[in-house]
Amino acid sequence: EAGVVQSPRYKIIEKKQPVAFWCNPISGHNTLYWYLQNLGQGPELLIRYENEEAVDDSQLPKDRFSAERLKGVDSTLKIQPAELGDSAVYLCASSKGRGGELFFGEGSRLTVL
Amino acid sequence: GESVGLHLPTLSVQEGDNSIINCAYSNSASDYFIWYKQESGKGPQFIIDIRSNMDKRQGQRVTVLLNKTVKHLSLQIAATQPGDSAVYFCAENRGGATNKLIFGTGTLLAVQP
Repeated sequence: EAGVVQSPRYKIIEKKQPVAFWCNPISGHNTLYWYLQNLGQGPELLIRYENEEAVDDSQLPKDRFSAERLKGVDSTLKIQPAELGDSAVYLCASSKGRGGELFFGEGSRLTVL
Repeated sequence: GESVGLHLPTLSVQEGDNSIINCAYSNSASDYFIWYKQESGKGPQFIIDIRSNMDKRQGQRVTVLLNKTVKHLSLQIAATQPGDSAVYFCAENRGGATNKLIFGTGTLLAVQP
């Protein structure tokens, strides 16, 4: 069974440019998470979806970050415009419900120059 | 406030020795704890979890100990192998859920051959 798939794995952009990350969760997992991980730090939750509904986006900087999961399967996280401080790894994870084990993708590493 | 932290940012052990990675948490309401392993360039991977009604849980070569009195969590790895080299994170939540995990900073385990 395929795990959580993320793309791109690496992205280098100049500040003020837009960037988008894509995530395809494990089949059958209705809960999808986007996490931000800075170097040497633990992941921090940005947004959680239950099916197509964003049920927790309290940590998402809404002035420049947006996310969607239109059909309740794959999801896109967008940053526009990107800032130098956005350089980090963006992790996607999925689970079977709020109490299920989280399975993480390999992450998308963003470098903003 | 809520926080989960690790005492040792880096732990170096000899192959074959036992490893102990420690974690302190500050939220006494937390009742569910998970240890994750993260290898370079990959997402965190579930190792073992424990609920607050237990003080010890064993897996394959790993044991998690929970001391609620001093709000301390530890991960013991028996007969440490080179493949155990990674960053280890503890994470906490409430209600047995994984929907809002709070991750600690991480400990780098370096296994010397």
